[in-house]
Amino acid sequence: EVQLVESGGGLVKPGGSLRLSCAASGFTFSSYSMNWVRQAPGKGLEWVSSISSSSSYIYYADSVKGRFTISRDNAKNSLYLQMNSLRAEDTAVYYCARVRSSSAFDYWGQGTLVTVSS
Amino acid sequence: DIQMTQSPSSVSASVGDRVTITCRASQGISSWLAWYQQKPGKAPKLLIYAASSLQSGVPSRFSGSGSGTDFTLTISSLQPEDFATYYCQQANSFPHTFGQGTKLEIK
Repeated sequence: EVQLVESGGGLVKPGGSLRLSCAASGFTFSSYSMNWVRQAPGKGLEWVSSISSSSSYIYYADSVKGRFTISRDNAKNSLYLQMNSLRAEDTAVYYCARVRSSSAFDYWGQGTLVTVSS
Repeated sequence: DIQMTQSPSSVSASVGDRVTITCRASQGISSWLAWYQQKPGKAPKLLIYAASSLQSGVPSRFSGSGSGTDFTLTISSLQPEDFATYYCQQANSFPHTFGQGTKLEIK
């Protein structure tokens, strides 16, 4: 069974940093591109970042470029999102999601809440 | 960036009704479109990929169509568990933008 479990969310002050993790199981992690998607309270979905299976290709939303860094460790079946210079508008539930062959996101984690507030 | 616009933003319907949700891309995306269903407090669930392909395990009352810039998600006969918010997403180019969502409510 495919499972994605996010962790690392919490309360952080503006300007602070946080590192999210996504632990994958039930599939060959190293064969799939992965993404982070976020959802602010009461709002819609926002794509954040994407990383290819071997980390060769990385993309970011303009809203996080230069502040967030996506990475993965295929030996540990884990995906990461390093978030620096956090702002109030980064407050959201962050989901990791697996990419299937058509570039759709076929499996999602349960999400981890990041709250940026003083 | 490609903008995705869904309509309507919300719709009220009854069990058994046929419902259609539309998604329009600001430029052509071929068939690189997915549809997701999200219930409150839950992660999104993939329904349709490549514009018209049904994800494994998704009931056949869900269908997708379209290519280029105009796409539709149709639910042929609404069931109580279908009341949720639906999102389209383009996967033609980065950023992989989502539509704003369509909330399907019980009439």
